[in-house]
Amino acid sequence: AQKVTQAQTEISVVEKEDVTLDCVYETRDTTYYLFWYKQPPSGELVFLIRRNSFDEQNEISGRYSWNFQKSTSSFNFTITASQVVDSAVYFCALSEATRAAGNKLTFGGGTRVLVKP
Amino acid sequence: DVKVTQSSRYLVKRTGEKVFLECVQDMDHENMFWYRQDPGLGLRLIYFSYDVKMKEKGDIPEGYSVSREKKERFSLILESASTNQTSMYLCASSSVGQGHEQYFGPGTRLTVT
Repeated sequence: AQKVTQAQTEISVVEKEDVTLDCVYETRDTTYYLFWYKQPPSGELVFLIRRNSFDEQNEISGRYSWNFQKSTSSFNFTITASQVVDSAVYFCALSEATRAAGNKLTFGGGTRVLVKP
Repeated sequence: DVKVTQSSRYLVKRTGEKVFLECVQDMDHENMFWYRQDPGLGLRLIYFSYDVKMKEKGDIPEGYSVSREKKERFSLILESASTNQTSMYLCASSSVGQGHEQYFGPGTRLTVT
């Protein structure tokens, strides 16, 4: 069975600090996809990034960066120079890669990030 | 932009009532999903569908049923609402094929009293 663990339930930082969110996953599939979603106070989950299991390159998008390490089954997310608008709950998710699975996602428990001014 | 809409943001129902939660997507996505979100438990999949009239149970289908008569619409039904079904319900859709991201609606916060 697949599993996603986000050990940090809540992180509080002061604006402009960097914050790293940990995500560890378990799967028996050799092909899989990993995702990060942001859930602001409004409630709607917003897709941030997708990474497939064959692509271990790190990615940077503005102040966001992601570090995928297959050897440790981790897909960590860093927000650089955090801003108040980054305050949200962030979810890591894992997708089975078979057609029959209908692209089901297994979510971690989420990490609440609070950025104080 | 993908748009997923849900019929209500907030809903209050009484125990035993039949409850319908509606979800509509406008991107011609084949896959649609219903999740519930509870504090400390993350998002848990209730049901999903990858074609009209097709449905598959997720991780917690007990007490729920679904209907997908049209490609763009996926309904979640609580046959007899109970207080333990008080939760945030999130609908999502995605394209068919491996690894496509899911797009979520704004959620419906359901309170059963």
